[in-house]
Amino acid sequence: DVKVTQSSRYLVKRTGEKVFLECVQDMDHENMFWYRQDPGLGLRLIYFSYDVKMKEKGDIPEGYSVSREKKERFSLILESASTNQTSMYLCASSLRYTEAFFGQGTRLTVV
Amino acid sequence: GQQLNQSPQSMFIQEGEDVSMNCTSSSIFNTWLWYKQDPGEGPVLLIALYKAGELTSNGRLTAQFGITRKDSFLNISASIPSDVGIYFCAGPPLGGGATNKLIFGTGTLLAVQP
Repeated sequence: DVKVTQSSRYLVKRTGEKVFLECVQDMDHENMFWYRQDPGLGLRLIYFSYDVKMKEKGDIPEGYSVSREKKERFSLILESASTNQTSMYLCASSLRYTEAFFGQGTRLTVV
Repeated sequence: GQQLNQSPQSMFIQEGEDVSMNCTSSSIFNTWLWYKQDPGEGPVLLIALYKAGELTSNGRLTAQFGITRKDSFLNISASIPSDVGIYFCAGPPLGGGATNKLIFGTGTLLAVQP
């Protein structure tokens, strides 16, 4: 079975902190994604990566950056956390042109 | 960003009833995916469809890839309380580039009363 693991289920951070969300997949997938999910807004793509060190902006990249130094790991970075970044963050991975598999999600609260 | 139109937005049904939901797009898709998300968890893949007209079942779930390639349907037969959750359609539209950048539907919230 494909396993996508996010480093934390719940996080509470202070405004202005630099926040790292980590995601690891064990199926040698080329693609990895970061989404955020908010009530009434569905899943919105923040960034995705189709290869090591390769990344592309999604629909809402502002305030975020990403890092993919190894194929199995994709990190989402909040440079300076703000309260409007309080959300559920979901990582996913996939082979090219196939279905994506999700991690369990990280619920981030910025106070 | 682009989103798929999913309906209905929510459904409140009695245990044992059948459920139907659909997803439509203005773009053509080569793949349609259906996910279920339990509260506080990540979405889990239920069914993947790869061919126009394809009808695929997974237990009590049946999904169809529309002939026009712009829509898909999910049916759940004889619903049970554990069917509660949010159901999402998703897919990579044609011309999406080198990766399958998935677009998601707005979700259907299903509540089942025992």
